[in-house]
Formats: sequence, structure tokens, C-alpha cells
Amino acid sequence: EAGVAQSPRYKIIEKRQSVAFWCNPISGHATLYWYQQILGQGPKLLIQFQNNGVVDDSQLPKDRFSAERLKGVDSTLKIQPAKLEDSAVYLCASSPGTEETQYFGPGTRLLVL
Amino acid sequence: QKEVEQNSGPLSVPEGAIASLNCTYSDRGSQSFFWYRQYSGKSPELIMFIYSNGDKEDGRFTAQLNKASQYVSLLIRDSQPSDSATYLCALPWPPGGYNKLIFGAGTRLAVHP
Repeated sequence: EAGVAQSPRYKIIEKRQSVAFWCNPISGHATLYWYQQILGQGPKLLIQFQNNGVVDDSQLPKDRFSAERLKGVDSTLKIQPAKLEDSAVYLCASSPGTEETQYFGPGTRLLVL
Repeated sequence: QKEVEQNSGPLSVPEGAIASLNCTYSDRGSQSFFWYRQYSGKSPELIMFIYSNGDKEDGRFTAQLNKASQYVSLLIRDSQPSDSATYLCALPWPPGGYNKLIFGAGTRLAVHP
């Protein structure tokens, strides 16, 4: 079974630029999560989708971050405009449902200069 | 926001010793926990899930949950250099139908030959 796929793996941008990340969850997994992991910290949930609906986006900085999962499969996370403090690893995870184990993708490492 | 606290370490143990990693949490309603392992530059991978009070064993790993004292621990017997990683404790929230994982900052374990 293929795991969670993410791209790109690395991205370097300047502040105020825009960036987008893509995630393809494990086939059949209804729930998709985006986490932000700043160096030295644990992952923090940004947004959770159940199929193509948003379940929790309480910690998503909505003035600059947006995410969508249009067909209930792939998802994109966008930052516009980026700030220095957005430098982090962005992890996508998926699970069959909301009460089950989450499986993480390899992450996208973002550096904002 | 529910809190999950971990000592950041590093915890240094000799090869073959028992490594003991601890995690405390703030909410008495919490019922279950995950332990994830994260190698440097990699994404978290699931090690253990514990739901009930007491111990749960899986190979060289034992998870212990003490709800009265609000802590959960992970013991690694016969530690190997390949166990050197950051260990993340995660609390599913809300209890009994969780939508997200709340992670601690992680404890870095170093196993030296």
C-alpha cells in the first residue's frame, strides 16, 4: 500500500512570496490533516478535512493560509504572503476515519528568507 | 488548548540499557495516547497506542498509562543505537472520538555504543 505523498520536499522562498504544497493521502482514507512542525517542537494541527469538508481549522492563520480538498482526495495548502516565522516542516497525514491512527507523509521543508 | 509536556532531553543511555521516556498531560478526561518516533529529517512514525491504565507491551517497547497521575511513559528495553530519535507523545482530542492529535515537543534519545 502506497503511503502519503507530498510535494515538493523542499522549498526556499523570500518573505512575502506565495507557496503551495500538495498532498495525496493513502487510498481510501477519508480524513486528511495538515500539521506544521517548527524546529524543536511537536507537530501542530493547522486544518483537518473529513472527505472534502473542513472539520477543524481553528489554528489555521486564515489571513495568510488557505487549504482545500476539492474532490475528497488530494489537498493543497497555500501560504500567501509568507513570513519568516512560517519556516517549518509541513506534514500531511491521513487516516481511514477520525478515530483511527494517522499516517504521516514525508513532509515539505519550507525556508522563508 | 490541552497541554502535553515532555522533557526535551537529550536523554543519553548506553546500548543495551532501558530508556525511559515520560509525558504528562493536563486534561483528566484524556483516555488514550500515541507514541510516535521521529528520526532527524523524517516524519513521525507510530510506535504504540495505549488506551487503558497499566502497561502495554510490543516487542522491546512498553507503554505505561497512569490516569490518576496524568502521565504516560514509554520504556525501550535493550536500547540500540538505531533507537536514537525524537519520541513524541500525542494526545487524541477530544477524548473518545478524536479529531486531532495534540503533540508534546518530543524527547530526544541518544543511544551510545
